Amino acid sequence: AQSVAQPEDQVNVAEGNPLTVKCTYSVSGNPYLFWYVQYPNRGLQFLLKYITGDNLVKGSYGFEAEFNKSQTSFHLKKPSALVSDSALYFCAVRPSGSARQLTFGSGTQLTVLP
Amino acid sequence: NAGVTQTPKFQVLKTGQSMTLQCAQDMNHEYMSWYRQDPGMGLRLIHYSVGAGITDQGEVPNGYNVSRSTTEDFPLRLLSAAPSQTSVYFCASSYSDRVGYEQYFGPGTRLTVT
Repeated sequence: AQSVAQPEDQVNVAEGNPLTVKCTYSVSGNPYLFWYVQYPNRGLQFLLKYITGDNLVKGSYGFEAEFNKSQTSFHLKKPSALVSDSALYFCAVRPSGSARQLTFGSGTQLTVLP
Repeated sequence: NAGVTQTPKFQVLKTGQSMTLQCAQDMNHEYMSWYRQDPGMGLRLIHYSVGAGITDQGEVPNGYNVSRSTTEDFPLRLLSAAPSQTSVYFCASSYSDRVGYEQYFGPGTRLTVT
């Protein structure tokens, strides 16, 4: 069965500093990996995805993520955090084969301090 | 495009009552799904559909029914509400369940069962 771990419930970072939100996964075969963001009282919004190809994926709002197959990780990064980046971030995985279900991590609350 | 819409935004039910959560999308997406979000547990898949007339169970289907008579609509029915069904419910859609298409989420329905 596939699974996703987001080891940090909460990440605090000062505005202007780089941020990292961690994600590791377990899946049979090759993974499709996603990051979503949720602002308060809103639905999830798609940020970026890894399907194949370049291990560094760039997405919306200046976010990027690096796929590391050997470490089974897909950490979300941004070079310079903004207060407006404060939100709940979810990593998700599904295998590239026949399974249709997307499995989400438990989420990481990012707080960017002014 | 309105995207994915959900009604109602909030609902309070008494134990044993039934209700239907509405979900509609105007993007002509094949794939639609229902998730519930509980603190510290991420999103868990309840039911999904890969097209009109086709539905299947997800990770936590007990106590819920779905149907998909049109491409646009995917209602979720609670048969006999229980306090354990207190949660935030999200409907999502994507162009396809294949490859790595991202999902689009509705704004959610916050349900409280007393």
